[in-house]
Amino acid sequence: QVQLVESGGGVVLPGRSLRLSCAASGFTFSNYGMYWVRQAPGKGLEWVAGIWYDGSNKYYGDSVKGRFTISRDNSRNTLYLQMNSLRADDTAVYYCAREIALAWGFYFDFWGQGTLVPVSS
Amino acid sequence: QSALTQPASVSGSPGQSITLSCTGTSSDVGGYNYVSWYQQHPGKAPKVMIFEVSNRPSGVSNRFSGSKSGNTASLTISGLQAEDEADYYCSSYTSTGTPVFGTGTKVTVL
Repeated sequence: QVQLVESGGGVVLPGRSLRLSCAASGFTFSNYGMYWVRQAPGKGLEWVAGIWYDGSNKYYGDSVKGRFTISRDNSRNTLYLQMNSLRADDTAVYYCAREIALAWGFYFDFWGQGTLVPVSS
Repeated sequence: QSALTQPASVSGSPGQSITLSCTGTSSDVGGYNYVSWYQQHPGKAPKVMIFEVSNRPSGVSNRFSGSKSGNTASLTISGLQAEDEADYYCSSYTSTGTPVFGTGTKVTVL
């Protein structure tokens, strides 16, 4: 069955860096676009970054552009999110999600359980 | 890209029907038939309930239905059950090729 397992979260100081991973199994990872979506405590969902199935195109939300980098290793079935210059308002649960591509749009059919990133001094 | 607008809360009694709204613009909800809805129970990951405005994934109860008119999409939950109590988020494809989520609606079963 499809599984997405995030790791790498934990308390980090403002201005520091952290790398999240999302290990995928139960499907052909290299066939799917993937996204990172975050949720601040008590708040709604916010998309962070997306990447095409082959890594050739990447998209970023305005709040993380220039600080975060999404990447993937299809040989390891793993999605990554490199987060630099972290700020207090980056504090959130970070989910990875599998994208189902439609004719023009898409939706997310499977989500990981999330990993918490508290940014605090 | 601004978040889609959803009512903060909607409530109903068991067995009733409720409708959640999701209002965007012509650059997202109104411009594409790619609205999806996600259910999230406390401490859990979101789960897709509706995609492409009105399609249900396999395994989702037919008590959930979706529709759209202009810039507003709607999710209707019929025969409300205690297990439906959760947060619901809409999402839409946008003219920039990226998604946008709604502000979220907390559904309470009275």
